[in-house]
Amino acid sequence: DTAVSQTPKYLVTQMGNDKSIKCEQNLGHDTMYWYKQDSKKFLKIMFSYNNKELIINETVPNRFSPKSPDKAHLNLHINSLELGDSAVYFCASSQGSGTGGNYGYTFGSGTRLTVV
Amino acid sequence: GDSVTQMEGPVTLSEEAFLTINCTYTATGYPSLFWYVQYPGEGLQLLLKATKADDKGSNKGFEATYRKETTSFHLEKGSVQVSDSAVYFCALKVDSSYKLIFGSGTRLLVRP
Repeated sequence: DTAVSQTPKYLVTQMGNDKSIKCEQNLGHDTMYWYKQDSKKFLKIMFSYNNKELIINETVPNRFSPKSPDKAHLNLHINSLELGDSAVYFCASSQGSGTGGNYGYTFGSGTRLTVV
Repeated sequence: GDSVTQMEGPVTLSEEAFLTINCTYTATGYPSLFWYVQYPGEGLQLLLKATKADDKGSNKGFEATYRKETTSFHLEKGSVQVSDSAVYFCALKVDSSYKLIFGSGTRLLVRP
């Protein structure tokens, strides 16, 4: 199936730990994104890579570090996890700046991170 | 800066009722406008879009018209079903920007 897939789907971890979330897309898109959705469903962009180059880096604590080994993969590593990091993290992809075609951005199903 | 404002939810309707979810935007450039839907436990799916003024996006019985004069992109459906229960997000993207900016989402609950 063509899709954006994220792993893991659920992640429960203790404060202070380091964790990673992985994302892969097989749509042939050249741009990938990380969004954070808080408990009130508000979505905020965190990072974006275009052909492995960082193009969006919002005001995010530097405990969050994205890595894109190739244009089909975008991982998110989080150091020293805090309670406030609990959220759902969505990966997305698009071709170019994403207005072309009928699909816009394609989102993964999300990773629910719970820090205890 | 660029932003999207949506009506607060939840919106609770009976099956077959008419739906309107209001969305207005502020943009420095000339944006494309989108509606995304998020079903429980899932990611966001593109519902419809419009890329220029007076365009009407439509899909699955939902419609929205890009109104430049009122900077609005309200979502409508003539007869909702229980299966339409979800969170609906209005979003914009300015040309040449990679950033998709979302509204705060509106939860729709349709009762049988």
